[in-house]
Amino acid sequence: GNSVTQMEGPVTLSEEAFLTINCTYTATGYPSLFWYVQYPGEGLQLLLKATKADDKGSNKGFEATYRKETTSFHLEKGSVQVSDSAVYFCALTLYGQNFVFGPGTRLSVLP
Amino acid sequence: DAGVTQSPTHLIKTRGQQVTLRCSPKSGHDTVSWYQQALGQGPQFIFQYYEEEERQRGNFPDRFSGHQFPNYSSELNVNALLLGDSALYLCASSLAAGGNTDTQYFGPGTRLTVL
Repeated sequence: GNSVTQMEGPVTLSEEAFLTINCTYTATGYPSLFWYVQYPGEGLQLLLKATKADDKGSNKGFEATYRKETTSFHLEKGSVQVSDSAVYFCALTLYGQNFVFGPGTRLSVLP
Repeated sequence: DAGVTQSPTHLIKTRGQQVTLRCSPKSGHDTVSWYQQALGQGPQFIFQYYEEEERQRGNFPDRFSGHQFPNYSSELNVNALLLGDSALYLCASSLAAGGNTDTQYFGPGTRLTVL
């Protein structure tokens, strides 16, 4: 079946450090890929998405590129802020149905 | 533009009871999906409703059932509650037509505690 694997957290960085959170997937067909962010006590917010190979999703300084050859969708940000502290989820869906989420990676950014 | 809303925010029940959670989709959306998020884990897909019918279902027992109303709002019902049903229940909405069928918007969730 379809699955998503993320790097284990927690990830702790200093403000302005470079961030990478790895995500790889297994899917039959060609999924759409997503990153969602969850702040404490809240639901999930869509951060970015990519729907086909080599697409780059970007939002709020975060980027991720859909790599079909490595089945990956790593999340990156050049300079993190304290306000980026949250849990990040990688997810996939095929044709808008039956979303599959990774286990989440907790990011803590220290001032 | 109203986003996805869920009620109640928190709920405490005892084992064996039944619970109903409610969701109103984002304005203009016609599809509602429900997820269970246990503490420290990613959301698990329960089912999806479109045109008042269950379209897809994840690996959850029949104790979990749902309904979608003509105004696209939805309910999640859980019967015979177990301690393991304690979780954050998330509702997400999307639009079936057009090019963004795969983009879901989530509500804040309902925190269910089963004692």
